[in-house]
Formats: sequence, C-alpha cells, structure tokens
Amino acid sequence: DVKVTQSSRYLVKRTGEKVFLECVQDMDHENMFWYRQDPGLGLRLIYFSYDVKMKEKGDIPEGYSVSREKKERFSLILESASTNQTSMYLCASSTRGFTDTQYFGPGTRLTVL
Amino acid sequence: AQRVTQPEKLLSVFKGAPVELKCNYSYSGSPELFWYVQYSRQRLQLLLRHISRESIKGFTADLNKGETSFHLKKPFAQEEDSAMYYCALSGKNTDKLIFGTGTRLQVFP
Repeated sequence: DVKVTQSSRYLVKRTGEKVFLECVQDMDHENMFWYRQDPGLGLRLIYFSYDVKMKEKGDIPEGYSVSREKKERFSLILESASTNQTSMYLCASSTRGFTDTQYFGPGTRLTVL
Repeated sequence: AQRVTQPEKLLSVFKGAPVELKCNYSYSGSPELFWYVQYSRQRLQLLLRHISRESIKGFTADLNKGETSFHLKKPFAQEEDSAMYYCALSGKNTDKLIFGTGTRLQVFP
C-alpha cells in the first residue's frame, strides 16, 4: 500500500513567519506534487518535482518554494506566510507516466493569523 | 488552454436515484481523464480512470471526444457515495494533473 505522509495535520502560524510543510512517500515514486485545496477553486498545483533536486512551477507558485534533496521527501516552504495562504495543502506522489495514479497525503490545514 | 469544468458545485439526490456528475474538458490532443473522490475525513483517492475502462463502486465514466466530456454515472446512488468528486486530466507531455473545481454529492436516505 502506498503511503504518503505529511508532517502536520493542523498548523497555525503568524503573518511573516517562515513555514515548512514536509511530505514523505515510501513507494520510490519519481514524481511528487504540492497542491492547495480551497472551496470552490478545487485543487491548484503549486510546485512539482520529477526527480531529486528538480522542481517545476505549477499554476500558483508565487509566495512558495520547494526542496527535494531526497527522492522520498518533498518540502513546501512559505518564506513569509500571509493570510491569503490559509488553506488545505495536499502532497501527492506518482510514478512516471501521464496515465499513472497520484497518491495523496492526508493534508495539512494551515491557518495564518 | 487546458481546462476541466465541473459545472455543479453541489448535487443532491435520494438513495436509489441515478447520479450523473458532469465533467467537460478543453485539451489539444488526447488527454487521459480521471475521477478522484474525497470522502469525509479521508484523503483524496483515485476512483477511476478512462484508460482502465473499469467500473468502481458501481460508477462508470465514458469519454466522449465529440462533446469533450467525461461524465461520472451511477444508476442507483447509495448514502456512502456522499463525497467530493473531482474530475482531472493529464496529457502525453506532462505528468501533471489539471483538476476541476469539484462537485459535492449528497445522497439522502
């Protein structure tokens, strides 16, 4: 069974803080993704990575950065959190190939005060 | 532009009624289409995908290239089908998924 875990289920931070969201997968997947999920907007891709040390911008990368130093771990970084980054953040992983299933983590609900 | 449209935010039906969740897409080329589902307090997971041509939990979806649609159907809804459903597409030159905005299905007893 594919396991994608995220470091926190709930997180509360203050405006201007640096925030790290961690994601780990145990299935040796090449691809990893970070999305934010907002009511009425669906899932929007923030960043993704095809391999270690590789990253690609998604649809809404502004205000975010990522790090992939090891194949199993993909971190999302909010350099200076803002209230409009309050959201549910979902991590996913998949093997290579556009027909392949993406496996999702449980999500981190981030509140920025 | 690549886009997935789910026109209904909420769909409410009674148990035993037929269900159709609509999905239309815009894509130049041959996309792969998916339906993902998120039950209450559970993680998002794949329900079915076009390439597999399968029926999962009684749900089916047919790709209509002429109408650029991939509607999800079930002949008799069950209460446990209540969830958030997302249609998504990907294409040959990318492993990214493009999601629709989702449809919440409520099945009343």
